[in-house]
Amino acid sequence: EAQVTQNPRYLITVTGKKLTVTCSQNMNHEYMSWYRQDPGLGLRQIYYSMNVEVTDKGDVPEGYKVSRKEKRNFPLILESPSPNQTSLYFCASSLSAGIGELFFGEGSRLTVL
Amino acid sequence: DAKTTQPPSMDCAEGRAANLPCNHSTISGNEYVYWYRQIHSQGPQYIIHGLKNNETNEMASLIITEDRKSSTLILPHATLRDTAVYYCIVRPEGKAAGNKLTFGGGTRVLVKP
Repeated sequence: EAQVTQNPRYLITVTGKKLTVTCSQNMNHEYMSWYRQDPGLGLRQIYYSMNVEVTDKGDVPEGYKVSRKEKRNFPLILESPSPNQTSLYFCASSLSAGIGELFFGEGSRLTVL
Repeated sequence: DAKTTQPPSMDCAEGRAANLPCNHSTISGNEYVYWYRQIHSQGPQYIIHGLKNNETNEMASLIITEDRKSSTLILPHATLRDTAVYYCIVRPEGKAAGNKLTFGGGTRVLVKP
């Protein structure tokens, strides 16, 4: 089954404790992206990757890092999480940048205390 | 900044057609109209997209005006499971344009029995 898988789905952590949210897709998609969703602010893009080893900032990249060493994986790294990064995070992928529909993961709800 | 304007909410009777409007008066010639929906806090789900011709798939129909400044998503026979937030997005096609989706506020659709 074609899917985008995120882990963990739920996480409560404390300020400053590094964490990684993994994202994996099984559709051989070139393009992958991370979004965060907050009440009243909608979905905002954090980072995106056009292909392996090619990443770029979205609208709200501060406090996040990403890497794209393999085509299928696009982890989101919070080096020193802060409470303002409490949010619902979505990973998405598409066959290629600017082409076709985006497939979204089920979301990762992160709480930083 | 979102390039689309949608009503914040609308109700629809189960079994009836739901017509969701979207204004995109500044759309460019190479920009497509995409529709996604988000059920509760799940990942957004692709519905349909089009450039200038009307489109239909198993989920919905998309009617784009001749001047392309607005469009309507039609859910032909709404069911309770269609209750969701519906997002209308304009996006340039092609790799050079990247793949940044800007989600606006969407329309919260409530299908009532």
